[in-house]
Formats: sequence, C-alpha cells, structure tokens
Amino acid sequence: DVVMTQSPLSLPVTLGQPASISCTSTQSLEHSDGYTYLNWFQQRPGQSPRRLIYKVSERDSGVPDRFSGSGSGTDFTLKISRVEAEDVGVYYCLQGLHWPWTFGQGTKVEI
Amino acid sequence: EAQLVESGGVLVQPGGSLRLSCAASGFTFNRYWMSWVRQAPGRGLEWVANINDDGSETYYVNSMEGRFTISRDNAKNSLYLEMNSPRDEDTAIYYCARGGEKGTVDYWGQGILVTVSS
Repeated sequence: DVVMTQSPLSLPVTLGQPASISCTSTQSLEHSDGYTYLNWFQQRPGQSPRRLIYKVSERDSGVPDRFSGSGSGTDFTLKISRVEAEDVGVYYCLQGLHWPWTFGQGTKVEI
Repeated sequence: EAQLVESGGVLVQPGGSLRLSCAASGFTFNRYWMSWVRQAPGRGLEWVANINDDGSETYYVNSMEGRFTISRDNAKNSLYLEMNSPRDEDTAIYYCARGGEKGTVDYWGQGILVTVSS
C-alpha cells in the first residue's frame, strides 16, 4: 500500500500567522491522465471530515482562500496564510490514485 | 446540496453481523460512485470500500475483504455496508462518502458509531 506521511503531527499555531503541513507519498500520485490525485481534508472537533483541496491545488467551493495546496509527484503541502480560530482541528491528506486509497496520519492544528 | 445520513450503528458481539445504511439526497445518486471510510476512537481515517455507480464493481481494503460487503439500491438512493464476523478492532465511526473514482470524495455523512464488544 502507498504510505502517506504527514509532518508535523502536531502544529501549535498563532492566530494571524501562517501555517504549513507537509505530506509525502511512497509512490507518485500523478495519473497518466495528467492529474495528480492528492486531497486535503479538515476535521474539526466532533465533526465529519470536510474536503478542502483536491487534485493538489483545487480549492472546494466555500473554502476560504487562505487555504492553498501545492506540490507534485510525491511531495505536497497545505498552507494556511493566516490562521483563524475556526481552523483548529485535524488535517489529513488522502491519495486517490493507488488502491487502496490511503490517508496520512493527520496533523493536529491547535492555537 | 448533497446530504448523506448513516444509520444502523449498534453494539454488536464479535462474530455477529450488522448492516449499516446511508440515505442519500440532494443529488442524482445513480451517477456517483460511493465509499465507506471509518475512524477508530481517537484515531485517524481508514478507507473501507468503494462501489461504482451501478453497483457492478466493488473494491475493498484487504483486511476487510471477505468480511464486509458494500452494496447499493439506486431505486432507494441508499448505500449499505454489511459487516460479518466483526472483530473488536472494527469498532469505529463509519462514514459514507460520495465519490470513489477520479481520485476523490467530496460529501461525507455525519458518521455512525459501531461498537464490537462482548
């Protein structure tokens, strides 16, 4: 199985400051169709996961533009330009190219 | 907007059986692949299974193949997960999610807790 490794696993942040989470896969996530199937999800305390980003950098409707995704091949990053209180939660990367699909361990973002 | 509502979660004994349901609304159900994902208490997310739009193709994580069965009834806009001979380590919140092809899922249900214990 493809292993997704996130770092850090715990991320203390300061309101208004930037934050960054890294996700690395053991195999390339680039499909022959030219797309790279890497997603980012946010899970706030007590809630279901919510998709933020798909295909590395495509932001979902309603997701604030302070969230951005980047990367290629096996190395990816989720950035929050200015952290707000509502951003507290656990963030997961997900690869959707190789079966079985696999998540990173999760990064806990806390103020 | 798409909505997914899971039901059927209970306390089940090891070696028993259980069927989870997911009622879909707000979108054309028979045009989408669907998935189940689970989360053990205090742990991360783990993929369970996918099913294609007409139910003719199913995919399982190795550890669950042969014990779990994903199915759907497009006439009822419903997704199912049958769990046979569950083990203690199957205790988790089970989420249904829309998608499972093209590398992503978008909408998630609120999740349903399944506890496997004697």
